[in-house]
Order: sequence, then C-alpha cells, then structure tokens
Amino acid sequence: EAQVTQNPRYLITVTGKKLTVTCSQNMNHEYMSWYRQDPGLGLRQIYYSMNVEVTDKGDVPEGYKVSRKEKRNFPLILESPSPNQTSLYFCASSSPGLAGEGEQFFGPGTRLTVL
Amino acid sequence: GQQLNQSPQSMFIQEGEDVSMNCTSSSIFNTWLWYKQDPGEGPVLLIALYKAGELTSNGRLTAQFGITRKDSFLNISASIPSDVGIYFCFPGNQGGKLIFGQGTELSVKP
Repeated sequence: EAQVTQNPRYLITVTGKKLTVTCSQNMNHEYMSWYRQDPGLGLRQIYYSMNVEVTDKGDVPEGYKVSRKEKRNFPLILESPSPNQTSLYFCASSSPGLAGEGEQFFGPGTRLTVL
Repeated sequence: GQQLNQSPQSMFIQEGEDVSMNCTSSSIFNTWLWYKQDPGEGPVLLIALYKAGELTSNGRLTAQFGITRKDSFLNISASIPSDVGIYFCFPGNQGGKLIFGQGTELSVKP
C-alpha cells in the first residue's frame, strides 16, 4: 500500500530534550516536506526536500532541522524543543516533479506537546 | 512572497445545506487542488483542477478554476455529517516552497 508513515503519533516531552520525528514514504517520491498545523493558521511548511541531500527552509524553519540521506526518509529534528513548538506535525511527499507541484500525500500526523 | 487567502475560516451549517468556499491569490497558478482533513487524520486530495475555467465535479463536490488563474472555488451540495472537517486549497507549481490556504473548518449539524 502506498503510504507515508510517521512515528511517533503522539509525544509528550519537556523543554530542551532533543527529539526526532521520523517520516518514511514508499512511493519513490522525490519531494518531501514537513508542516505544522496550529488552530487558525492552517498548514505551514517547515522544511522541504527536492531530492536526496537537498533541503531548504519553508515558512517556519526556526527551531527545526531536517536531513535527507535516503530518498524514502525525511526525519524532523528538534534539537532543543520549546513550548511554542507544541503542535500537530505532518510529513508529506509528492510526485511528479521536483518542485512539489503534484498531489501531496500526507502522513497521519504527530501530536507533539512540549512542557 | 505569495499571498493566499481562503475564506470563510469556519462554517456552521445544517445538514442538507449547500456550502461554498474559495481561495484567492495575488499570483497566477497552473493548477489548483482541494484537500479535506478529517478529524485526527492527514489531509487527502478531493479534487484537482488543471485548466483555467475548468469546472470539475466529484459526487456532491464541485470545484472551479478561476478564469484569471488567481482563484478557485469549492462547493458542497446537500451537506451530510461526514462532510465535517477542514478543507484546504493548494495551488500547484509553486516551485519548491509550498503554501496552503488557511483552511475552512466545516461543522454540520444533523
């Protein structure tokens, strides 16, 4: 089954404790991205990647890191989480095209709470 | 940067009513896609539009690609409780960095 998976689905952590949210897709998509969703603000792109070893900032990259060592995986790293990063996070991938103009396939989401 | 305005932000309607929402932009696009997010899930594609002026239907859903290529509309006819969720517009060919509409949260009262 074609899908985007994220782990964990739910996470409660404390300020400053490094964490990683994994994202994996099995559709051989070039383009992958991370979004955060907050009430009234919709989906805001954090980082995106057009291909392996190619990443770039979205609209709200502060406090986040990403890596793209393999085509299928695109982890989101919070080196020192803060309470304002409490949010619902979505990973997405898309094809055709390197610029993400095709249909976006979303993961199920990760609900993060930073205390 | 690109500006994308989706309205209304939320709607509370009675079952059986029709719903309309729209997205407008300051930029021209070649594609418009509409997504729906069910509670607790990730967004899923509903309808895709690839040509200015195009009108496309998917069951009770009808979407239009504005003739100026700067806007798009989504209509839902005879709403039912399972239409509840958040609807997002998404213009294609943005070139790397992507933006979605702010979302329209739909509540349907049985």
